[in-house]
Amino acid sequence: NAGVTQTPKFQVLKTGQSMTLQCAQDMNHNSMYWYRQDPGMGLRLIYYSASEGTTDKGEVPNGYNVSRLNKREFSLRLESAAPSQTSVYFCASDEGQGAASNQPQHFGDGTRLSIL
Amino acid sequence: QKEVEQNSGPLSVPEGAIASLNCTYSDRGSQSFFWYRQYSGKSPELIMSIYSNGDKEDGRFTAQLNKASQYVSLLIRDSQPSDSATYLCAVNMIIQGAQKLVFGQGTRLTINP
Repeated sequence: NAGVTQTPKFQVLKTGQSMTLQCAQDMNHNSMYWYRQDPGMGLRLIYYSASEGTTDKGEVPNGYNVSRLNKREFSLRLESAAPSQTSVYFCASDEGQGAASNQPQHFGDGTRLSIL
Repeated sequence: QKEVEQNSGPLSVPEGAIASLNCTYSDRGSQSFFWYRQYSGKSPELIMSIYSNGDKEDGRFTAQLNKASQYVSLLIRDSQPSDSATYLCAVNMIIQGAQKLVFGQGTRLTINP
């Protein structure tokens, strides 16, 4: 029972490079989320998708783009990586839908990203 | 600004004692409350959810909710060294017309053998 799967687990980039973080869930959840976690800052929402085909900005969307490819997959793209984007990135999902979601979120194992 | 506040700790508790973790939140209309445990270098893991005022018990864990005081707590009885982790309080709040989960910064708990 995989739950939420993120790839890669670790990545080192140079400033200006681009990359896509992948996330897939096998729980048939409607909503998916991308967070970043920095020391002393807690978890901050980057983007979320309340249902297939929709995406919305969270608290810290600048420098990122997302794609909800289908119900299972939600990817996060850094077009031109900056050192300030060095962080641990978590994908999460829940079974809620749209603005009515009050369900607990389930997290992937995270991607540790360093931008040099 | 919609906020969830936790004491960052570290909170040090002897083995076998009760650990008490506290959380306050700013949105009086919040209806869903969650506690996550996060071991160092790992992802957050859901341990408790609570939706109604009062206590909810699950094994050694008890969540307590007081919506009037905008306060939610987590008690861990018979604390074990394996309970040493950071505990995140998360509260659903309506932000820009949509329910979003807002996390506190977490309380780092250390259980001393």
